[in-house]
Amino acid sequence: TQLLEQSPQFLSIQEGENLTVYCNSSSVFSSLQWYRQEPGEGPVLLVTVVTGGEVKKLKRLTFQFGDARKDSSLHITAAQTGDTGLYLCAGGTDSGYALNFGKGTSLLVTP
Amino acid sequence: GAGVSQSPRYKVTKRGQDVALRCDPISGHVSLYWYRQALGQGPEFLTYFNYEAQQDKSGLPNDRFSAERPEGSISTLTIQRTEQRDSAMYRCASSSSGGVLTQYFGPGTRLLVL
Repeated sequence: TQLLEQSPQFLSIQEGENLTVYCNSSSVFSSLQWYRQEPGEGPVLLVTVVTGGEVKKLKRLTFQFGDARKDSSLHITAAQTGDTGLYLCAGGTDSGYALNFGKGTSLLVTP
Repeated sequence: GAGVSQSPRYKVTKRGQDVALRCDPISGHVSLYWYRQALGQGPEFLTYFNYEAQQDKSGLPNDRFSAERPEGSISTLTIQRTEQRDSAMYRCASSSSGGVLTQYFGPGTRLLVL
């Protein structure tokens, strides 16, 4: 199993602040996905990145895939209380189909 | 259906009993995945189906766990002789192809073994 390490594990910030969460691995992934999960719900896909160095923006969220396709970051600008949730990264491999998930970053945005 | 559905949503059972968890994927999705998720953690892969064929069951913890998808649609994950350590959220996901991209997750079944 290819391990994905996410940091920080927990993050509590105030509304309007910026934040970055990280997803790192020693393994190369063919693709990397970011999910957001709210309490009591299943993970919901936010973005998929497939090319080394790729940057994708989704409103206030910016996702980056490392050049070597071993790491990724998620940056949120001007966080809102609605951004609260568990952010999960998941790697896909060329030979596989299952997703290897990190343990997640639990984000709390307070008013 | 509009999304992946799972039943039951909650299951409480006594140690030693068998349980069957059901997953109804998005209509037309050929790939189906089972995951187990501990509280506050990411999902852990259990098994994968492409149509009715179980392509990978390497994530199943032991031989008490089994899964089937006989007609390539609905899937059942069965746990025999349940143990307390089996307590977790069991999630099903489906995708339109065998690729990794865009798996849609169901709401999960919360299993509690007493």
